[in-house]
This record gives sequence, structure tokens and C-alpha cells, in this order.
Amino acid sequence: GESVGLHLPTLSVQEGDNSIINCAYSNSASDYFIWYKQESGKGPQFIIDIRSNMDKRQGQRVTVLLNKTVKHLSLQIAATQPGDSAVYFCAEPGASSYKLIFGSGTRLLVRP
Amino acid sequence: DAGVIQSPRHEVTEMGQEVTLRCKPISGHNSLFWYRQTMMRGLELLIYFNNNVPIDDSGMPEDRFSAKMPNASFSTLKIQPSEPRDSAVYFCASRPLAGALDTQYFGPGTRLTVL
Repeated sequence: GESVGLHLPTLSVQEGDNSIINCAYSNSASDYFIWYKQESGKGPQFIIDIRSNMDKRQGQRVTVLLNKTVKHLSLQIAATQPGDSAVYFCAEPGASSYKLIFGSGTRLLVRP
Repeated sequence: DAGVIQSPRHEVTEMGQEVTLRCKPISGHNSLFWYRQTMMRGLELLIYFNNNVPIDDSGMPEDRFSAKMPNASFSTLKIQPSEPRDSAVYFCASRPLAGALDTQYFGPGTRLTVL
């Protein structure tokens, strides 16, 4: 498959602080990126996406930043809440238009 | 709106038994995907359907795995015979269109345990 095994880095933050989750992507020609959130026992849930012609996109409490020069994507979560605890995956299109390449994921733990 | 629906949510079976996983995609979505997720290998794409037609089944592990999509609102993934190494969480996802710039929406998954 086109995904990396789950050797998950973990980010631990205090409730109320901002979180920044990073992702390095592989294909400089990728034109679309997605962030997914996966809570324990659930499927990946779409959070936010960004086209390659944008550097920044904001949602509700979340911001995605795209740096095409260094092929880096980040997800910022403002005022992190306990409900934000999950594994976060970035994804980019694969060689075939229908495939998504998922990053290895980052586990976010929110301390009360 | 109802999301992707999968059943059963949990399945425990014995080695050698047939297992059938079911999926109802989001209404109006033209593309359907079956994934498998394990700790060792992460999310793996098993098969992709577009307009009910299997387009890419290169991710199906072996002949024991088969998938069908008889209509736009239903798909099955069958394992026969099942083996302990098939234990994983199986996700179904759907997407509105076949183009690259469309998000896939995942169901809650079926956790399969083969004893």
C-alpha cells in the first residue's frame, strides 16, 4: 500500500494551548493536501484541505499552512481541547488520481 | 446527513470461516474505497470502485479477498477463508467524484478479529 507504518510521534499539549502538527510530503507536484483526524475506535475524519495554489487556509480553530519550497505542511489547532486528542494524518494524491498517500500520523494528547 | 455506513462494527471469527463486511457509501458519491488499517502497515488501499466498477484491486492481498459493488449504494468485502493475519480494522470510504481534488469520507470501520 501507499502508506507508512504507524510509528507514531506524539505531541502532548496543555488544554488551552495551541498545537502545531507537522507533515513532510513527498511529491512536489502534489496539488492538493488533506488533514484527517482519527479518534480511537473511529474512522479518519476530514478536517481541512488546501490547494497547492494557497499558502494558508483557516477553518474553525484550525489553520493549515503549506510551504511548497520545503514540501512541508502544518496543522495548527488553537485553544486545544480534550476532544482534540486523536491521531492526525496528512494526505496527498498518489500517482493515480484516486489514491491518497497518508503520512505516518501524529498522536495528539491533551493534558487537562 | 448520514455518512458512510459500515456493518458489522465488530466481527470475531475463527480461522477458516468466511467473513463478509458491508458498506453503504454516502448517497450521490461515485467512488468507493476499501482500506485496511493495522499498526504495522498503517492504512492500505485494498480496492477502488468508480461508478460501481472495480478500477484498481492491486491492493487486495490474495485470492482469499474479494469485493463487489452490485449497485451505487452497497458494497461488500469478503474474506474466504479467513486467517489470523487478516485481523485488522477495515474501512470503507466514498468520494463525490472521480477527480483527484476530492476528499474521501471514511466510515467508522469494522474491527475484524480472526482467532
